[in-house]
Amino acid sequence: AQKVTQAQTEISVVEKEDVTLDCVYETRDTTYYLFWYKQPPSGELVFLIRRNSFDEQNEISGRYSWNFQKSTSSFNFTITASQVVDSAVYFCALSESSGGYQKVTFGTGTKLQVIP
Amino acid sequence: EAGVAQSPRYKIIEKRQSVAFWCNPISGHATLYWYQQILGQGPKLLIQFQNNGVVDDSQLPKDRFSAERLKGVDSTLKIQPAKLEDSAVYLCASSLGISTNEKLFFGSGTQLSVL
Repeated sequence: AQKVTQAQTEISVVEKEDVTLDCVYETRDTTYYLFWYKQPPSGELVFLIRRNSFDEQNEISGRYSWNFQKSTSSFNFTITASQVVDSAVYFCALSESSGGYQKVTFGTGTKLQVIP
Repeated sequence: EAGVAQSPRYKIIEKRQSVAFWCNPISGHATLYWYQQILGQGPKLLIQFQNNGVVDDSQLPKDRFSAERLKGVDSTLKIQPAKLEDSAVYLCASSLGISTNEKLFFGSGTQLSVL
């Protein structure tokens, strides 16, 4: 069973629009972390945000915000006032403990295109 | 601080040939990961090292793939012999420790095309 689901394959928005990327995860662990990574055309995945399973307080960091709801196993990511430089593939990832080590599972990604 | 270094950036080979990829993680990072990313998909873990020991290679096709991290620093991933379905980007990542809150730092990847 897929552990991290990103149902949106591609999204296109016009510059300055807000956009929300959806992520649904599955785990039996009570302690875990959720991440969002960005993969620009250059190919290198870059860490954006992380949230632990015990903290459902939603936060805003600059133009980024995230909505973590444990009851629905969702960890959605919003970019406010999108810019062309936000065009990239965004990956949601689940980090669990496996045999005492970190095990990270990525979703299939959502390709975001911001049109000027 | 230098990032994760990978080489080569691109590689084109014919099926049944061999290929090797190299990765040098961020200095001091104990954990090293090799991921395979097929076009349009998310990264899939192939193998994970903690220092020079393997902690997870459950998804590594061991009949053709091998990896080593002999001195607990840089690592090499080899495919022998390559198949058409091995065409993908091979990503190396590293993290400081083993906790579930560790963020991963990625290299730019090696894009492999098998013809």
